[in-house]
Amino acid sequence: GENVEQHPSTLSVQEGDSAVIKCTYSDSASNYFPWYKQELGKGPQLIIDIRSNVGEKKDQRIAVTLNKTAKHFSLHITETQPEDSAVYFCAASKNSGYSTLTFGKGTMLLVSP
Amino acid sequence: EPEVTQTPSHQVTQMGQEVILRCVPISNHLYFYWYRQILGQKVEFLVSFYNNEISEKSEIFDDQFSVERPDGSNFTLKIRSTKLEDSAMYFCASRSPGTGENEQFFGPGTRLTVL
Repeated sequence: GENVEQHPSTLSVQEGDSAVIKCTYSDSASNYFPWYKQELGKGPQLIIDIRSNVGEKKDQRIAVTLNKTAKHFSLHITETQPEDSAVYFCAASKNSGYSTLTFGKGTMLLVSP
Repeated sequence: EPEVTQTPSHQVTQMGQEVILRCVPISNHLYFYWYRQILGQKVEFLVSFYNNEISEKSEIFDDQFSVERPDGSNFTLKIRSTKLEDSAMYFCASRSPGTGENEQFFGPGTRLTVL
């Protein structure tokens, strides 16, 4: 089955800096890659996703890049703010009707003012 | 904005007892999921449900687990005889039936503590 590895496990940055979180996946049939943000005591919330027919997607300060050949994808957050502090999970799934998500282990991002 | 809701937010039970975790998915969604997250670990898939039957389940989802959609709105996860290692956060998620609509919307979770 699919295996998703995520690095780093923790990331501390200063407000205004950029943050990059990287994930690799094992199943070449996976073609949907969402990123979720989980704040303390809450469920994961989708922040951005990418499908394998594109290499990059951007939404304001957040961008995701995908390298299908290398089977890795990354989350980029620019101009970080303290409210970006949370745990971020990458995930992968196949474009089946049921889209089971396989998650990475998560990255705790801490943005210091 | 529509959201997935879950009750209770926290459930404490004794080992061997049965628990039922409840979820109300977003109203027009047809695909439903349960995931769990042991403290400090990643979110793990348990089961997916569509058209009143299980469509996929993981190795974690053994005979002690069952899911049900008893009416048009609720989606439940039952653990028949809880074990200490069942202590985790359980998340329900739902997804739209739309073609290409992969996004799963997660509820806030139920924290299950087995003593």
